[in-house]
Amino acid sequence: QKEVEQDPGPLSVPEGAIVSLNCTYSNSAFQYFMWYRQYSRKGPELLMYTYSSGNKEDGRFTAQVDKSSKYISLFIRDSQPSDSATYLCAMSGNDYKLSFGAGTTVTVRA
Amino acid sequence: GAVVSQHPSWVICKSGTSVKIECRSLDFQATTMFWYRQFPKQSLMLMATSNEGSKATYEQGVEKDKFLINHASLTLSTLTVTSAHPEDSSFYICSALYMGEQYFGPGTRLTVT
Repeated sequence: QKEVEQDPGPLSVPEGAIVSLNCTYSNSAFQYFMWYRQYSRKGPELLMYTYSSGNKEDGRFTAQVDKSSKYISLFIRDSQPSDSATYLCAMSGNDYKLSFGAGTTVTVRA
Repeated sequence: GAVVSQHPSWVICKSGTSVKIECRSLDFQATTMFWYRQFPKQSLMLMATSNEGSKATYEQGVEKDKFLINHASLTLSTLTVTSAHPEDSSFYICSALYMGEQYFGPGTRLTVT
């Protein structure tokens, strides 16, 4: 069993729809949770960073963490074609070593 | 702010040769940098942690004699793939730790022929 499970998709939605992404994890030591966006052949770009259970909102992005269920989510509201990318969840303990999910490829259709 | 660069962005080398990849933090100092490898359609896998002024620590299964890491200054870490083989062909990405967050470089695509 992988430490971090993420459905690789692909996920295709029409412009304006809500994109829902999620990951589950098994390591109770994980305390920091991140979502990255990665375009083809580029390095990951940090979107959201959380360290506690609950919701965090930043513009059209909302990250949710449920430590009791070991489940994290990312929601993208009013999705745009420019949101088309691969979204990676990542998490770490105090050592800052990131464990990544497989990544979900999202396509937003105009 | 918090920009990380990598050089080269793409390199092709012959089997048996060595290749050096540089990772630089451009506008901050980074005591700790990380090296990841990403195969096509797969996620990033941590290879090693690079600490300025000390030896790198490698993840299980990563050959430290094959992937040499040097973190000689607070803004530069290098990864040298020694005696490269076609199976080492991959996308190598570094990150630098700053204020508790990791900032990633743009990656280096290595092709070994």
